[in-house]
Amino acid sequence: GAGVSQSPRYKVTKRGQDVTLRCDPISSHATLYWYQQALGQGPEFLTYFNYEAQPDKSGLPSDRFSAERPEGSISTLTIQRTEQRDSAMYRCASSQRLAGAYNEQFFGPGTRLTVL
Amino acid sequence: DQQVKQNSPSLSVQEGRISILNCDYTNSMFDYFLWYKKYPAEGPTFLISISSIKDKNEDGRFTVFLNKSAKHLSLHIVPSQPGDSAVYFCAPAGNTPLVFGKGTRLSVIA
Repeated sequence: GAGVSQSPRYKVTKRGQDVTLRCDPISSHATLYWYQQALGQGPEFLTYFNYEAQPDKSGLPSDRFSAERPEGSISTLTIQRTEQRDSAMYRCASSQRLAGAYNEQFFGPGTRLTVL
Repeated sequence: DQQVKQNSPSLSVQEGRISILNCDYTNSMFDYFLWYKKYPAEGPTFLISISSIKDKNEDGRFTVFLNKSAKHLSLHIVPSQPGDSAVYFCAPAGNTPLVFGKGTRLSVIA
């Protein structure tokens, strides 16, 4: 596609429910990143994929968080048993080359998650 | 423990003047530095970058300066324009994913 898209743009859920967020990266891009951004903060790294491989999950805050990219294109981020502290903007980014230091990342518009 | 600090949450500058946004980092393994710009309701977009082998990179009205010994970089915008009003994130990289600062909100006043 022309840019990175994310859906839904807004999600309100009740504490304890599971949510799944979706990211459509730029079609030619090998690498896909997930970030969590709290209000007034910069994006914080959660995890990334090189195609379908997930070399780094170190930023996932707990085992309630998981991500998939089974065919190396679209990715989903799932949060199980949501808690109020999970409320944040979740951003996806993709880059053309395999993850390394010098990749320009293209960001999607984000999904604003609110856990009541 | 913040690896990247943007100590000014906000900055107001008159149109036509210079805007200077600062960023300090602690991790000496960072060797590539990116600036992202973010408008409301949009994702961050890449603006300019600099490699650690340089101390200056210029692209039109935007110049980034790097002082490796001080672990400090700055973004200069001159002349500032109202359309530059946005949040600017400093994002160093090394053998790690990008680490973003908290951002500085720039307001350029006409």
